[in-house]
Parts: sequence; structure tokens; C-alpha cells
Amino acid sequence: DQQVKQNSPSLSVQEGRISILNCDYTNSMFDYFLWYKKYPAEGPTFLISISSIKDKNEDGRFTVFLNKSAKHLSLHIVPSQPGDSAVYFCAASVGQGGKLIFGQGTELSVKP
Amino acid sequence: EAGVTQSPTHLIKTRGQQVTLRCSPISGHTSVYWYQQALGLGLQFLLWYDEGEERNRGNFPPRFSGRQFPNYSSELNVNALELEDSALYLCASTLVLYEQYFGPGTRLTVT
Repeated sequence: DQQVKQNSPSLSVQEGRISILNCDYTNSMFDYFLWYKKYPAEGPTFLISISSIKDKNEDGRFTVFLNKSAKHLSLHIVPSQPGDSAVYFCAASVGQGGKLIFGQGTELSVKP
Repeated sequence: EAGVTQSPTHLIKTRGQQVTLRCSPISGHTSVYWYQQALGLGLQFLLWYDEGEERNRGNFPPRFSGRQFPNYSSELNVNALELEDSALYLCASTLVLYEQYFGPGTRLTVT
């Protein structure tokens, strides 16, 4: 049972444009959501997070939006840069300190 | 500040053997998490240790086990290795509540 889903395995965007990565979840008990960026053969790097009591969180070029009624999460990267090319994972958690449940990842390619 | 470290970086084992992977969390972190990322798949939660105790475990067989030491470092042990255990094994520790910080991983190949 895949509780966190990233339905797009890949996304290609032109440098300078907006990248939008999407994530859907099924468990309404999730109370915290995170986005990670991962390069091949490296561990995931934490990017940005959002609590379920909020609907938006911004950090520089990265903004995460949460739509609880739709059980949908998205990450916006503006403007996109070639260095953003990586696999992006969304993750969700129930309760403090617990495990993270990850989506399958979306590979972002930003073309110069 | 040093990040999460893992050792070894890579290793190759044969089916039926046993392996031990090691993880040192960020200084001050007391919780360590282990995840498995098999080829082409997302990260799957394996184990969570906090203050030396196993707090939660994922849907993996008992031959996956581990422990956490008084200095909060951790080991992951896998017995009776199978081909499908070939994966990147990631360790993470927490700094701020839910936000887990990952090490570079150990790439295990089982032949």
C-alpha cells in the first residue's frame, strides 16, 4: 500500500522557468511533510518541510504547498537552475520522531 | 559541524553471508534511522533507534537487526544475505523534530 505517491517519474524544465513537483498521499494522519533532493550515490539532502497546520512554506527559491482536502503536496522551484537536476522525494510522517514514508521520487532535469 | 557518517562506502558479499553497516549521527542527535533504497525504488524504512532502544521497525524480516550504542552511533546487521538485499542503505539522524538528515549511504552488493 503506497501511502505517498509521486506519479511523475521524470520532469524536464528549461533553466529559469518554474519546476513543479507533485506528491499525493492517502493517510490523513500524516502531520508533517518534507521534500528531499538526491544525487546518485549520495544520501538525500533535506530541502524544505511543512506542518499539516499550514498550507504554504517558503525558503528562497523553494516553496511547498499543502492542500489537505485534496491530500496533495507540491514543491515549486523558481527559477530553476541546472544544479537543481536531481531526484526529488517527498516524505510524510505521523507523530514526532517517527519514521518517514517516502514517495518513489521524481527525476528533475533542468536544461540550460 | 560534521554530518552523518556511514561506513563502509561500498561492499560486496555473497549470498548467505552476514554484514554489518555502521553509522555515526550528527553530534547531539539521539535518534538514528535506517532506510533501504533498492535499485529503482524509493526509500523504505527499516529501523529507528532512540536513546539506545529500538522504537520502531519496518516491514523487513528478522534477519535485519541492529543496535544503538551509548554514544548514539548505530549498527545495522543483515544475516543470511539474499540477492534482493542488494541496495543503498541509508542512515539518518534528527536535528529538528521530524527533519531527518541523511548520511551518504553504504552500497551493498550481494552476489
